[in-house]
Amino acid sequence: QKEVEQNSGPLSVPEGAIASLNCTYSDRGSQSFFWYRQYSGKSPELIMFIYSNGDKEDGRFTAQLNKASQYVSLLIRDSQPSDSATYLCAVRVGSQGNLIFGKGTKLSVKP
Amino acid sequence: ETGVTQTPRHLVMGMTNKKSLKCEQHLGHNAMYWYKQSAKKPLELMFVYSLEERVENNSVPSRFSPECPNSSHLFLHLHTLQPEDSALYLCASSQAPGQSSGNTIYFGEGSWLTVV
Repeated sequence: QKEVEQNSGPLSVPEGAIASLNCTYSDRGSQSFFWYRQYSGKSPELIMFIYSNGDKEDGRFTAQLNKASQYVSLLIRDSQPSDSATYLCAVRVGSQGNLIFGKGTKLSVKP
Repeated sequence: ETGVTQTPRHLVMGMTNKKSLKCEQHLGHNAMYWYKQSAKKPLELMFVYSLEERVENNSVPSRFSPECPNSSHLFLHLHTLQPEDSALYLCASSQAPGQSSGNTIYFGEGSWLTVV
């Protein structure tokens, strides 16, 4: 069974710190990886996606992918209270598979 | 505001009622999805329509019935639901799998369903 695992948290970081969110997946055929942010009572919104091993940076966000370790992470630099949300990791197996979501990690950024 | 709109945003229904959730996407996508989100559970994929054909039905009870009249509209018909069906129901859209390297899914705001 294909699984995506995330620590449910809550992960608490002080304002201005780096928040590190981690995700592991079970299927080695996974090809694309997505991070979504979901505020309480709202729907998930896409932050970024990554396909290749290494780092991908977009503003304060950096996604890191290590396919050998089946591990993907999201770093948030200079964390702000407005970053407080649940972060969902999603994985697509192959080019035509559906997205499989983790349960999400709740992040709390304290002023 | 997103390119995927859902109505109603909130719905309370009795177990004997029949109601429908509606979804419309304005992104030019040709795949649409229904997801269920319950507390402390991962997002559960319910149905997938690709190019207006149902391509996946993840063992969803027959009291949930999807309808996709065209690539921009998706419905979820509800009848004789149970209290445990209370959840956030999310519609999403993307390009059909295999048609682009992205296939990024974009979600609507969701419909909060309470079954009493």
